[in-house]
Amino acid sequence: GIQVEQSPPDLILQEGANSTLRCNFSDSVNNLQWFHQNPWGQLINLFYIPSGTKQNGRLSATTVATERYSLLYISSSQTTDSGVYFCAVEGMDSSYKLIFGSGTRLLVRP
Amino acid sequence: KAGVTQTPRYLIKTRGQQVTLSCSPISGHRSVSWYQQTPGQGLQFLFEYFSETQRNKGNFPGRFSGRQFSNSRSEMNVSTLELGDSALYLCASSLSEGVGAKNIQYFGAGTRLSVL
Repeated sequence: GIQVEQSPPDLILQEGANSTLRCNFSDSVNNLQWFHQNPWGQLINLFYIPSGTKQNGRLSATTVATERYSLLYISSSQTTDSGVYFCAVEGMDSSYKLIFGSGTRLLVRP
Repeated sequence: KAGVTQTPRYLIKTRGQQVTLSCSPISGHRSVSWYQQTPGQGLQFLFEYFSETQRNKGNFPGRFSGRQFSNSRSEMNVSTLELGDSALYLCASSLSEGVGAKNIQYFGAGTRLSVL
């Protein structure tokens, strides 16, 4: 089945710094979503981005489907950005099922 | 519009017992999926239901089962609980217009199950 790898596994930033999180996937996908898991466990939708580029405030994401990777950019990080960021994909042959990466744990220090 | 609602939020059970978790999707969403999150295995897909039919199932033993009702609400059941079933169980809903269609999944806050 499709494999999803995220890097780096852990990231520590000073407030105000920028960061780039990466997601590599091993096969073509129908769906790619980025999530932020808050300290209480809820997965918050950040982007639905199977291809192209999107921006939402300080966050932006780019997926290059032909090269099978996606990037999540966080600019001017804030302490509230702390948490775990997940990339999840729905493969062409795995309908209705999201395959998650292992996540990037981000800590933003004041 | 209300989000995905999962109940209960926390559960403590003992080995051998069974448990039922509930999920109410976003109004108008007909697809409900369930995921298990553990520190060791990460987020893993359990099953997905659409219009009361299971369309896909993950690699979990038969002790894990689910169903969906005509109002799209879903329940999952775990029988004969084991210590390893301790996890955060997350439910997601989506419009699910079909394979390849835009299928954004929205997650609930989860049910944290502890098996003692």
